[in-house]
Amino acid sequence: GAVVSQHPSWVICKSGTSVKIECRSLDFQATTMFWYRQFPKQSLMLMATSNEGSKATYEQGVEKDKFLINHASLTLSTLTVTSAHPEDSSFYICSARGDSITDTQYFGPGTRLTVL
Amino acid sequence: ELKVEQNPLFLSMQEGKNYTIYCNYSTTSDRLYWYRQDPGKSLESLFVLLSNGAVKQEGRLMASLDTKARLSTLHITAAVHDLSATYFCAVDIRRGADGLTFGKGTHLIIQP
Repeated sequence: GAVVSQHPSWVICKSGTSVKIECRSLDFQATTMFWYRQFPKQSLMLMATSNEGSKATYEQGVEKDKFLINHASLTLSTLTVTSAHPEDSSFYICSARGDSITDTQYFGPGTRLTVL
Repeated sequence: ELKVEQNPLFLSMQEGKNYTIYCNYSTTSDRLYWYRQDPGKSLESLFVLLSNGAVKQEGRLMASLDTKARLSTLHITAAVHDLSATYFCAVDIRRGADGLTFGKGTHLIIQP
């Protein structure tokens, strides 16, 4: 089946620094990728939709200047958390959708971000 | 605004028993997904239900979709400890053009 990878799998950073998370589709081309955030013991919340070659679409309440998304190729999307603060600590999960008839989303393994 | 409600949110049951998790959603959709999440892990896809009346089974799990009632169920038959996890349903209302809207999840504990 389709595989989506994320890097890094976990990261600890100091408050005020920026962190970049990569999401790659390994064996298929993903025209659309999605970024979700999951706080402990909560559900996944969609942050933004990333389309290759165009600007990301952010969900209401998500600061686009804080969470920079770039989808430069059909296999790579990046999420940069700028000037991270402790409240940004969360589990960030990306998913990628190919062009199959089912439009199934394939989820990456997630990145756990801890901001000190 | 699409709302997806799961119940129960927490379920503790004994091995060998049967139970059903329910997923209601508020907007018309013909695509519903079930995922499993183990602690500290990402999502594992269980079922994709694409049409009214769809029923899929894998091992001790069976999922169904009733688009008219806007209801999906995940039925567990003769539960075993390995099925302990959090189960999420998610709805896709625009054929993948938008991201998924998830229910709050059902935390399932199966005791020996």
